[in-house]
Amino acid sequence: SQTIHQWPATLVQPVGSPLSLECTVEGTSNPNLYWYRQAAGRGLQLLFYSVGIGQISSEVPQNLSASRPQDRQFILSSKKLLLSDSGFYLCAWNRGQVENIQYFGAGTRLSVL
Amino acid sequence: AQKVTQAQTEISVVEKEDVTLDCVYETRDTTYYLFWYKQPPSGELVFLIRRNSFDEQNEISGRYSWNFQKSTSSFNFTITASQVVDSAVYFCALTPSQGNLIFGKGTKLSVKP
Repeated sequence: SQTIHQWPATLVQPVGSPLSLECTVEGTSNPNLYWYRQAAGRGLQLLFYSVGIGQISSEVPQNLSASRPQDRQFILSSKKLLLSDSGFYLCAWNRGQVENIQYFGAGTRLSVL
Repeated sequence: AQKVTQAQTEISVVEKEDVTLDCVYETRDTTYYLFWYKQPPSGELVFLIRRNSFDEQNEISGRYSWNFQKSTSSFNFTITASQVVDSAVYFCALTPSQGNLIFGKGTKLSVKP
């Protein structure tokens, strides 16, 4: 069976510090991978998605970047965090057009102080 | 334009009441998919159901049922005999045949004992 792992679960970082959130999927190959952000009391915003190694599409220009160094690994990064980067970050995967249901990780709650 | 509207921001019911969560969508595509996800307090999004645009049959799964009506562009979700464990934020989402998930803003359901 397939599983998706996200870490860390919670993170408190000072403004201006770097960020690295990691997401890995097990039990499948060549998944589509997604990063979402959910600000407090708001809906889900798609940040990045990837259909293959090294292929990243950005939905919203901002202070964040994403990378996919391996087939089942997706990393969300920032060089300098802003207060507005606080939120709940969710990673998701699906099999693309084969099966377009997205399955989500447990999320990372980021507080930038 | 693709859009999902969940007009109910918050709903509060007493245990054992039935509750319906509304979802209205907009799309020009003839082929599309509709989803419902549940987000309990822990934060992880849990997939509940997927419907494609060619299948208007209503679906029942235990206490959950879904009513898909293309004529009104609606995909409503009913919980029968609600329980405290049903308390969560519920998201309706849409994806065209080629493209990413578009989420509504969610409906927060509180079921009180």
